Amino acid sequence: QLQLQESGPGLVKPSETLSLTCTVSGGSISSSSYYWGWIRQPPGKGLEWIGSISYNGRTYYNPSLKSRVTISVDTSKNQFSLKLNSVTAADTAVHYCARRSLVVSAFDYWGQGTLVTVSS
Amino acid sequence: QSALTQPASVSGSLGQSITISCTGTSSDVGGYNYVSWYQQHPGKAPKLMIYDVSKRPSGVSNRFSGSKSGNTASLTISGLQAEDEADYYCSSYTSSTTWVFGGGTKVTVL
Repeated sequence: QLQLQESGPGLVKPSETLSLTCTVSGGSISSSSYYWGWIRQPPGKGLEWIGSISYNGRTYYNPSLKSRVTISVDTSKNQFSLKLNSVTAADTAVHYCARRSLVVSAFDYWGQGTLVTVSS
Repeated sequence: QSALTQPASVSGSLGQSITISCTGTSSDVGGYNYVSWYQQHPGKAPKLMIYDVSKRPSGVSNRFSGSKSGNTASLTISGLQAEDEADYYCSSYTSSTTWVFGGGTKVTVL
């Protein structure tokens, strides 16, 4: 059974960089059939797609976040990562990593989510 | 990109049917058959319920169905049950090769 697990600091100071890693188990991140993505959800609000990456590093980003986001993949560790720089309180959210299947064309597996709070 | 438009809340009695709408534009919902729906219970990760407008993943009840007309997609839940009370989000692929979500709909079972 495929599992995704987010990890990283739960507290980040304003103007600094938010860094999270998603570890994939029960399957290979190197398959060409999938993209791997990050989605966030501010407390009490809706979902926002941050961006996605393929196994070979092709990336797609939300235009509203593109200038601050970097998503990368490490196939040797079966992980992919998110970096969001120059964070503010508005970036406080539960961050989910998820798999997007090219066959299903949707996010079919999700991590449990991790809350990142931006505060001094 | 703008979020897809969903009603903030929808309610129905046990056993009834409800429909949640999701309105976008010709650059997202209307332009592609890549609309999906997610169910989210409080404190939990979203769960895929419908993909490619009307297809159900294995294990999802056939009480859930999806459709699309023009720039508006819909999720129908028939035979409403207590465990269907949750937040529901639609999502669509866009012409900018990005993904966009709806604002979410809170379903209440009366």
